[in-house]
Amino acid sequence: KQEVTQIPAALSVPEGENLVLNCSFTDSAIYNLQWFRQDPGKGLTSLLLIQSSQREQTSGRLNASLDKSSGRSTLYIAASQPGDSATYLCAVEEDTDKLIFGTGTRLQVFP
Amino acid sequence: KAGVTQTPRYLIKTRGQQVTLSCSPISGHRSVSWYQQTPGQGLQFLFEYFSETQRNKGNFPGRFSGRQFSNSRSEMNVSTLELGDSALYLCASSFVSGGDEQYFGPGTRLTVT
Repeated sequence: KQEVTQIPAALSVPEGENLVLNCSFTDSAIYNLQWFRQDPGKGLTSLLLIQSSQREQTSGRLNASLDKSSGRSTLYIAASQPGDSATYLCAVEEDTDKLIFGTGTRLQVFP
Repeated sequence: KAGVTQTPRYLIKTRGQQVTLSCSPISGHRSVSWYQQTPGQGLQFLFEYFSETQRNKGNFPGRFSGRQFSNSRSEMNVSTLELGDSALYLCASSFVSGGDEQYFGPGTRLTVT
């Protein structure tokens, strides 16, 4: 059974810091891995999608890497801002459109 | 292009009642998936529809059901509501089924009293 773990569970940092969020999964037979952010009480916003054949994806200040063989992904946030405060979720697609989510990392960036 | 829309946004029901939630995918998307989010269990997959056919189903009781219409809009139904069904219900759409980026709606907050 696929299990997705995210470390740390919570993080509080001053504005301007570079951050690394970690995601690990137990079964490497995945279609892709997707990173999302969720603001309190809201839906999920897709940040980055990495296909199983890819190693990394970049969007603005965000960079995500995937090491399928070791079951790990990292989300790198450069020069963090208070507006980055949210819960970050990683999810692996292991079957047709079935996403298995991690428990999330709650990030707070203070001015 | 409009995003995924869900109606209603908030709902309060009583135990034993049934409820129907609606999801309209992004125009052109043919796959719709449903998820339940609770503080204790996190985000869990309910089911996925593509071209009006259920392609995948999560580990939920038969009280949870869904369907998809020819215009790709989807509904999910929960019968005989229990207190534990209180959750944020999210739907996601993608262009194809399998391997494509999924886009989520704002969710329906269901409270069962």
